Amino acid sequence: DAGVIQSPRHEVTEMGQEVTLRCKPISGHDYLFWYRQTMMRGLELLIYFNNNVPIDDSGMPEDRFSAKMPNASFSTLKIQPSEPRDSAVYFCASSLDPGLYGYTFGSGTRLTVV
Amino acid sequence: AQSVTQLDSHVSVSEGTPVLLRCNYSSSYSPSLFWYVQHPNKGLQLLLKYTSAATLVKGINGFEAEFKKSETSFHLTKPSAHMSDAAEYFCVVSDNAGNMLTFGGGTRLMVKP
Repeated sequence: DAGVIQSPRHEVTEMGQEVTLRCKPISGHDYLFWYRQTMMRGLELLIYFNNNVPIDDSGMPEDRFSAKMPNASFSTLKIQPSEPRDSAVYFCASSLDPGLYGYTFGSGTRLTVV
Repeated sequence: AQSVTQLDSHVSVSEGTPVLLRCNYSSSYSPSLFWYVQHPNKGLQLLLKYTSAATLVKGINGFEAEFKKSETSFHLTKPSAHMSDAAEYFCVVSDNAGNMLTFGGGTRLMVKP
């Protein structure tokens, strides 16, 4: 298995532009999580899905952020418009059963908004 | 609600000496507990897990952790530190339904030659 695949690995964009981050979970994993990591705030849960349905999006910072999971093998996190304070590493993780197996994380997308 | 507290934000040890990273949890049920490791500029990797089986859990790279219910602790140990152990370590607890995990603030382990 190739693991959780995130793209792009690095993204540099100008303030005000739309940014789309992509994630392919491990096949068969019913749970998908999006996290953001910064030096100041550490690791933050943004949103998670179960069977493609958003379950908890209370961590999404504001309306500029949106996430979708159109099918079991693909999810996107979109920021529109982007701001410099959105600069962070964004991780996607998936799991078959979080309480039993934990999460498998992707390698992350490092986003820089200038 | 569940929570986890990592008692040290930074730990520094010399190569070849023991490692102890402390973690206390709070939960109203019997949780699953995990340790993750994150090397610089890398993703998070599962180190070991406790899911109500043996209280002493062995993980990768010589790490182990002991679940102590009476102390609500799940400390991570390794007998002898290696330079490659330098990383950030996260203690993690599951929620009651087992749907999601709560991460501690992390402990940065530094290993001196």
